[in-house]
Amino acid sequence: GAGVSQSPRYKVTKRGQDVALRCDPISGHVSLYWYRQALGQGPEFLTYFNYEAQQDKSGLPNDRFSAERPEGSISTLTIQRTEQRDSAMYRCASSPGGGALNTEAFFGQGTRLTVV
Amino acid sequence: SQELEQSPQSLIVQEGKNLTINCTSSKTLYGLYWYKQKYGEGLIFLMMLQKGGEEKSHEKITAKLDEKKQQSSLHITASQPSHAGIYLCGADRGGSYIPTFGRGTSLIVHP
Repeated sequence: GAGVSQSPRYKVTKRGQDVALRCDPISGHVSLYWYRQALGQGPEFLTYFNYEAQQDKSGLPNDRFSAERPEGSISTLTIQRTEQRDSAMYRCASSPGGGALNTEAFFGQGTRLTVV
Repeated sequence: SQELEQSPQSLIVQEGKNLTINCTSSKTLYGLYWYKQKYGEGLIFLMMLQKGGEEKSHEKITAKLDEKKQQSSLHITASQPSHAGIYLCGADRGGSYIPTFGRGTSLIVHP
């Protein structure tokens, strides 16, 4: 696709349910990032991948959060046993990556998760 | 982690006025990025600065990185309503491209 696509755009779920958020990066982009953004805050890093390998997951808040990118393209961020504090905008970004520092990241429109 | 402080937190200006947004780090920045977030949309890349003293411009927006690479400013000349949004500065985490972000500056431009 032309840009980074995230789905769903909006997700309302009951506390305790599992949710899966999908990110479809720009074709050919090596690096894929997940961020979480609370209202009035900047994006908070969660995890990132180069190809299918998860390079850094230090930002994942706890073991209820996991992410995968099995074929080095589409990625899924899964939150198990959701809690109200998980409510936020979840943003995905991709970049050409490959170790180049002078590349920008392209962000998707985000998934607004609300846990009720 | 590298903390980025943005100021001001919010800004309301009259159309046509100039304005400046600042981003300050406690550590030397490897790369400094400016993004704009329009309400309800994704983040849009504006500019990236890497070298001390570097300055870049795009249309009416100019960004500078100081010589010590710890502070950047974003300057908008003759602001327009289309400039409204949240401006975020981001910086590399330790040399690999994983930007961490400041809290953002919310800009409103009154026609």
